[in-house]
Amino acid sequence: ETGVTQSPTHLIKTRGQQVTLRCSSQSGHNTVSWYQQALGQGPQFIFQYYREEENGRGNFPPRFSGLQFPNYSSELNVNALELDDSALYLCASRGLYNEQFFGPGTRLTVL
Amino acid sequence: QQQVKQSPQSLIVQKGGISIINCAYENTAFDYFPWYQQFPGKGPALLIAIRPDVSEKKEGRFTISFNKSAKQFSLHIMDSQPGDSATYFCAVGGAQKLVFGQGTRLTINP
Repeated sequence: ETGVTQSPTHLIKTRGQQVTLRCSSQSGHNTVSWYQQALGQGPQFIFQYYREEENGRGNFPPRFSGLQFPNYSSELNVNALELDDSALYLCASRGLYNEQFFGPGTRLTVL
Repeated sequence: QQQVKQSPQSLIVQKGGISIINCAYENTAFDYFPWYQQFPGKGPALLIAIRPDVSEKKEGRFTISFNKSAKQFSLHIMDSQPGDSATYFCAVGGAQKLVFGQGTRLTINP
């Protein structure tokens, strides 16, 4: 059984650009969530996808969007990047008992 | 709006001692209370979790104590080891999201 994987590991973008982050959920898990973790803070919930539909969203603007594919992998897209978007972006897949298993994250730096 | 308050922010414990981290929450709708361990540059790893129908859960050196009426729960690490040095997060969850505390940086001195 493979765990949650994310790509890329690190990414550097400039303000105003767009970015796509990718996640493969743990085998058999059909629900994926994305979180943003700023330096020194706890993760903040962005949104959740279940069977290719968004079914929950945190307090993030519409320029944060996502997709889930039939194989349950997922993408997080962020448009019009701002300096404050610099953070560790975490993907989590949900287990049978609502446990959430996190991937290693993608470190995004916006210059 | 801080739904989850975690304390202390940092903690130093001697090797072999007991580390205790506390968490308080506001929303009684949550029904899942996990603790995560995070090392620098890594994603959070699920350590132990509890449901509100039990008051205590133990897994190895890690114990969660849960007080539903006080809306508080805590993590106890027995026989703390230098390898336990990390940042610990409590969280509260429901069907969709987890709401995390601000984290506790734990240092175990050898």
